[in-house]
Amino acid sequence: DTGVSQDPRHKITKRGQNVTFRCDPISEHNRLYWYRQTLGQGPEFLTYFQNEAQLEKSRLLSDRFSAERPKGSFSTLEIQRTEQGDSAMYLCAILLRVSGANVLTFGAGSRLTVL
Amino acid sequence: SQQGEEDPQALSIQEGENATMNCSYKTSINNLQWYRQNSGRGLVHLILIRSNEREKHSGRLRVTLDTSKKSSSLLITASRAADTASYFCATDEFRDDKIIFGKGTRLHILP
Repeated sequence: DTGVSQDPRHKITKRGQNVTFRCDPISEHNRLYWYRQTLGQGPEFLTYFQNEAQLEKSRLLSDRFSAERPKGSFSTLEIQRTEQGDSAMYLCAILLRVSGANVLTFGAGSRLTVL
Repeated sequence: SQQGEEDPQALSIQEGENATMNCSYKTSINNLQWYRQNSGRGLVHLILIRSNEREKHSGRLRVTLDTSKKSSSLLITASRAADTASYFCATDEFRDDKIIFGKGTRLHILP
């Protein structure tokens, strides 16, 4: 248990459908991050939150993607009108301070397969 | 966006041998970190080295950092089958709290 729960673990959907992923940190953390990872690649930064505020969105995040963190605890990532290119692992992470440095703790990820 | 480039992309060695992975990055950093990812799972933080440090040890892990060359290396000594995983370097940039990952090295330990 990493302290970050993601749901669902795996989602298979047809092209054009909407999907939503949820990230639940086990305890309160100010910073929450979303990354996307395709097969054989490293995690790519999508967006991050400071409490409820979304601080930055990557250019990877098209208008079909929206992320929220309404109460500064859990977060959701929604993809509308999914495309096959959206197939990837979506990773959520919280920022911890370890010996004065920023370190990420990741959830197990939500794998999206778009048919 | 991805900051680091790991080298090699894939590495297969015999159990008991040492494994060395390299990482190059582009911008000024606060620190550089290495993470491990087992197949289909999330990433786990392994070790961090600050920009003013040159070498760091943790158990069988040894990390070096050369800020003049913008490069780092991760050495795993006396490798074990359980070390089979992907390893990613990640940089914590000065200008914000984004942590940017490289593409990773896939390490396979042969029995």
